[in-house]
Amino acid sequence: SYEVTQQPSMSVSPGQTARITCSGDAFPDVYAYWYQQKPGQAPQLVMFQGTERPSGIPERFSGSISGTAVTLIISGVQAEDEADYYCQSTDRSHNSVVFGGGTKLTVL
Amino acid sequence: QVQLVESGGGLVKPGGSLRLSCAASGFTFSDYYMSWIRQTPGKGLEWVSTLHYGGRTIYYSDSVRGRFTISRDNAKSSLYLQMDSLRDVDTAVYYCARATGGEAFDYWGQGTLVTVSS
Repeated sequence: SYEVTQQPSMSVSPGQTARITCSGDAFPDVYAYWYQQKPGQAPQLVMFQGTERPSGIPERFSGSISGTAVTLIISGVQAEDEADYYCQSTDRSHNSVVFGGGTKLTVL
Repeated sequence: QVQLVESGGGLVKPGGSLRLSCAASGFTFSDYYMSWIRQTPGKGLEWVSTLHYGGRTIYYSDSVRGRFTISRDNAKSSLYLQMDSLRDVDTAVYYCARATGGEAFDYWGQGTLVTVSS
């Protein structure tokens, strides 16, 4: 079945830029979505269709697509951005949804 | 504002059954696909099932197909998940989520914990 893969963890200092990448053979033919999950909370959609930001999400969050990889970019990282980030896409051939394993972002 | 509130979680023995409910408010429930997504404690997210807004089309993950049944009552703005033949590996927090465009989960409930253990 289709899979999307993410790096398990990364760390950045406040003010730096974090780039979290998700790889999948079906990109860019299918959309990618990104979710932020803080401890004890439900996930929150922070990017849809690869590059679109939902209302209420800070402008420092952006997305890019390059070949079979999609990237969530957090510019000027703040302490409150420390969280797990999940990539999500669809497996059209199996009518299913796939999530990446998640990336734990640590703000030093 | 959009609210999704799950209920029905608890402790059940392997082979047992449980029915989860999700009460929706703050939007026109019948206009949206709805989904269940689960998360094993300390682990990642796993999509479980999605139901068309009219109930005509249903999708299941391979891991639950044949054991779980998703349904909805648009008159009550409620989503359900009937879980039968439960296994240890089904232990997780189960989230109800609204699926915009059938793909993006833009609102999530707070989750309900299902523990399958003897």
